[in-house]
Amino acid sequence: EVQLVESGGGLVQPGGSLRLSCAASGFTFSGYWMHWVRQVPGGGLVWVSRINSDGSTTTYADSVNGRFTISRDNAKSTLYLQMISLRAEDTAVYYCARGAPGDSVWFDPWGQGTLVTVSS
Amino acid sequence: QSALTQPASVSGSPGQSITISCSGSSSDIGDYNYVSWYQQHPGKAPKLMIYDVSKRPSGVSNRFSGSKSDNTASLTISGLQAEDEADYFCCSYAGRSTFVLFGGGTKLTVL
Repeated sequence: EVQLVESGGGLVQPGGSLRLSCAASGFTFSGYWMHWVRQVPGGGLVWVSRINSDGSTTTYADSVNGRFTISRDNAKSTLYLQMISLRAEDTAVYYCARGAPGDSVWFDPWGQGTLVTVSS
Repeated sequence: QSALTQPASVSGSPGQSITISCSGSSSDIGDYNYVSWYQQHPGKAPKLMIYDVSKRPSGVSNRFSGSKSDNTASLTISGLQAEDEADYFCCSYAGRSTFVLFGGGTKLTVL
């Protein structure tokens, strides 16, 4: 079974840091682009970042560029999101998702999400 | 770029059909055939229902179908069932700099 399990969320003060992890299983992790997408509770989805299969290419949404860093360890089948200089508006559930193969663009499956709360 | 525009809510009775629209621009939906739709039940992760405008992943009911005309994509659910009650989000590729845009989500109520 293809599965993604996020961890690392929690309560952090404004200006603080947090590292999220996403453990993958059931598929060849090193063969896929991976993504982070966030959702404000009760709100819409917002794409955050992506990384290619070998980790050599990364892209970020403007809202997090320069503060978040996406990375992966293919030997451990794990995706990461390092977040620094956190702001109240970064409060959300963070999902990792597997990207589409080839040239298409879609996300499947998604992890169960991990909640990040930025508050003093 | 702004998020794609979806109606906040739609409703239908069991057995009926409903359509959810997703309005974008010539820079996203209008320019690429990379529209996808996601179903999300409360407290759960999103689930892929449609990709590449009209393709269904294995395991998704054929009651779900997708289409696109100009800058607007649509998701149609036929033969509504109680289990279809959920939030639905559209998504479109929007070029290399923006990557993707999501819609704000539509809450489907099965009456």
